[in-house]
Order: sequence, then structure tokens, then C-alpha cells
Amino acid sequence: NAGVTQTPKFQVLKTGQSMTLQCAQDMNHNSMYWYRQDPGMGLRLIYYSASEGTTDKGEVPNGYNVSRLNKREFSLRLESAAPSQTSVYFCASSEAGFRNQPQHFGDGTRLSIL
Amino acid sequence: GNSVTQMEGPVTLSEEAFLTINCTYTATGYPSLFWYVQYPGEGLQLLLKATKADDKGSNKGFEATYRKETTSFHLEKGSVQVSDSAVYFCALYTDSSYKLIFGSGTRLLVRP
Repeated sequence: NAGVTQTPKFQVLKTGQSMTLQCAQDMNHNSMYWYRQDPGMGLRLIYYSASEGTTDKGEVPNGYNVSRLNKREFSLRLESAAPSQTSVYFCASSEAGFRNQPQHFGDGTRLSIL
Repeated sequence: GNSVTQMEGPVTLSEEAFLTINCTYTATGYPSLFWYVQYPGEGLQLLLKATKADDKGSNKGFEATYRKETTSFHLEKGSVQVSDSAVYFCALYTDSSYKLIFGSGTRLLVRP
């Protein structure tokens, strides 16, 4: 059982380049999330999708877009990468919302913007 | 607004020592509380949770009690092992916010 799979695991971009981070889950979960993790700041929610066909902004959505392609897949796009977007990005999924439901996390994508 | 405050790390202990990692929260309503653990190079894994006051969450020898009167959810373990070395995150969720709010994380290093 793979759980939550993120690709790629590492990526280096130049400022202004675009990129899409991919995420897929095989647990039939309704809700999916994108976080970024920065030193000393914990995880911050970028966007989430409560169910297939819906997406909503989290705490730090500026500079990002998302697509909930189907129930399994939730992608994160950087249209014009900036050095401030250097971070580790985590995708997560849960059965329905957060209460009483653990979020299952992928292993992360380490992204560097030069 | 809702927030979680954790003690600064790193916390360095010898094997078999007692562990406490402090976590306090600010929230409207009645939050659910979580501890997640992140091993090097991996994503976060749920360690334990508590959904109402006085609940005790426990897993793998770790425990935390939901204390509403002190708005705390401190993580404890009686005897740590080298394999417990990781970063630990306290988090809360409320129905009104519909999002999981994380503390900044506390790195634990256990020496043999």
C-alpha cells in the first residue's frame, strides 16, 4: 500500500521557471492538502481540496495554483518560481476533514529556487 | 486566532532518559489535539491524538493528556531510545477553522 506518493523528490529551478508538483493517494480519501515546511515555522497550509471538484486557499496561497484532477490526484503549480518558494513541500490526505482523522503525508518534495 | 506553541529545540537526551516536550495552544471552541513525528527524510506520521478534555492519547510508549484548564498537550515518554530521534510537531484542529495548525516543531536527539 503506497499511501501518498509525491513526485519529484528533489528539484532545482531558476527564478521565473514554472513547475508542477504531483501528488497521488491510493486510500480513497476525499480530502487532500498541500503544505510547505520551512525551518522554525512548522508546516503551513498552501491549498486544500475538501472533496473532488473543490479547492480552497490555505494560509499561504500566493504564487501557487492547484488542480484536483480526480479523487486520487492533487497537483501544485508554481507559475513563476521565486527564491522565497524554496522549501520542502508535503502533500497529505484524509478521510474527511481533520477531526478524528489523521492526515497521511507523502515523503515530500525538496525544491530549491536559484 | 488559533495557534500552537512548542518548546524550542533541540532537546538532547541520553538513552533511557525521561522526555517531556511542552505544547500549549490558543483556540476558540473545542479543538482536537495531535502529536506528529517526522523522521529524517520522511513525511509526518500521526503519533497520537486526543479529541476532548482529559483524554489521554498514547502510542509507542508516548503519552499526552489534553488539559483544557492549562491549554496544554505535553508529550511524555518514560524511557527514550536512539530510534526516537526525530522532529515532533504539536497540532490542533477546530471545526471553525477547518485546518490543521502546526507548532514549529521540536527536534529530539537521543544519544546512546
